[in-house]
Amino acid sequence: GAGVSQSPSNKVTEKGKDVELRCDPISGHTALYWYRQSLGQGLEFLIYFQGNSAPDKSGLPSDRFSAERTGGSVSTLTIQRTQQEDSAVYLCASSRDSGSYEQYFGPGTRLTVT
Amino acid sequence: QQQVKQSPQSLIVQKGGISIINCAYENTAFDYFPWYQQFPGKGPALLIAIRPDVSEKKEGRFTISFNKSAKQFSLHIMDSQPGDSATYFCAASPAYSGAGSYQLTFGKGTKLSVIP
Repeated sequence: GAGVSQSPSNKVTEKGKDVELRCDPISGHTALYWYRQSLGQGLEFLIYFQGNSAPDKSGLPSDRFSAERTGGSVSTLTIQRTQQEDSAVYLCASSRDSGSYEQYFGPGTRLTVT
Repeated sequence: QQQVKQSPQSLIVQKGGISIINCAYENTAFDYFPWYQQFPGKGPALLIAIRPDVSEKKEGRFTISFNKSAKQFSLHIMDSQPGDSATYFCAASPAYSGAGSYQLTFGKGTKLSVIP
């Protein structure tokens, strides 16, 4: 596709439920990042993928958060047992390869935990 | 610890004026400094970026000024237009690491309003 796409655009879930957020990077981009944007904390890095490997998971806030990437393309961020503080916009960005600085963001998924 | 400090939080500029947003960083390992523009309901869009080997970069109406010794950089928007009204974020990422992650550390953002 022309840009990074994310789905769903909005997700409302009840506290304690699990959610999955999806990211489709720009075609051919091998590097993929997840960030979280919240009113209190601003934009925060969560995890980085190069191909299907995640060599940098340093930003994941707890073990309730996990992510995977398959086929070097689509990535899924999973939040288990959601809490109200997980409410935020989850953004995905892709980059051409591991040597590229430029990151291009998708529109985000707005997660609301009630 | 906030590694990238951005100011002001909000800015109102007349159409045709110059908008200036400032950022300061602490981590000397930072090697790449982009600016992103974000409209409500949209993801951040890469606007312009600079590496520390140059002191200024200009693209159209947008200019980054970089002061390595002061660990500061700024975005200047010349001839500001109402369509420039958005939130602007500065960011920084480290030089290449073994893990290959260029994770971005963001400032808190500046909401720019350009009034006609």
